[in-house]
Amino acid sequence: GDSVTQMEGPVTLSEEAFLTINCTYTATGYPSLFWYVQYPGEGLQLLLKATKADDKGSNKGFEATYRKETTSFHLEKGSVQVSDSAVYFCALSDQAGTALIFGKGTTLSVSS
Amino acid sequence: DTGVSQNPRHKITKRGQNVTFRCDPISEHNRLYWYRQTLGQGPEFLTYFQNEAQLEKSRLLSDRFSAERPKGSFSTLEIQRTEQGDSAMYLCASSRLNEKLFFGSGTQLSVL
Repeated sequence: GDSVTQMEGPVTLSEEAFLTINCTYTATGYPSLFWYVQYPGEGLQLLLKATKADDKGSNKGFEATYRKETTSFHLEKGSVQVSDSAVYFCALSDQAGTALIFGKGTTLSVSS
Repeated sequence: DTGVSQNPRHKITKRGQNVTFRCDPISEHNRLYWYRQTLGQGPEFLTYFQNEAQLEKSRLLSDRFSAERPKGSFSTLEIQRTEQGDSAMYLCASSRLNEKLFFGSGTQLSVL
């Protein structure tokens, strides 16, 4: 079945460092791809999404490009801030386009 | 827009007891979803409603689980004869048709 694999955490960075969180997927068809973020004590929030190959989603300085040839959707940010500390989840939509299938999450900790 | 509200935030119960959780979606969102999240894992889809109709159920949703959305507004998730393996965070999300999901903060269930 469809699945998402993302890099193990935790990821610990200093402020202003470059961030990459790897995400690869297995799916039949052409799913939409998402990154969700969960800040401490809060619910999951959509960070960005891409709906077709070569689309780039971006928000709050984060970017991810839908790469069909490598089945990847890596999350990047050029300069992280302490406020970016959170758990990041990669996800894809199932074939019906209703349920989301999530990766296990990657914890990011940014120190000043 | 007051967000998705879930009650209670925490529930501790003894094995074998029944529990019920409530989700109040964002008003005018016709889709409502239930997910389950265990420690170190991403959320797993359980079921979703479009208005009052339950359109999809995961095989994770055993016979002990039942969800309702009687008037197409709030929803309840009941677990009968709870087991220790049911301990998890239960997340609710809502959306308009084919739009992004908004998640609540979840109900943390602990089965002793």
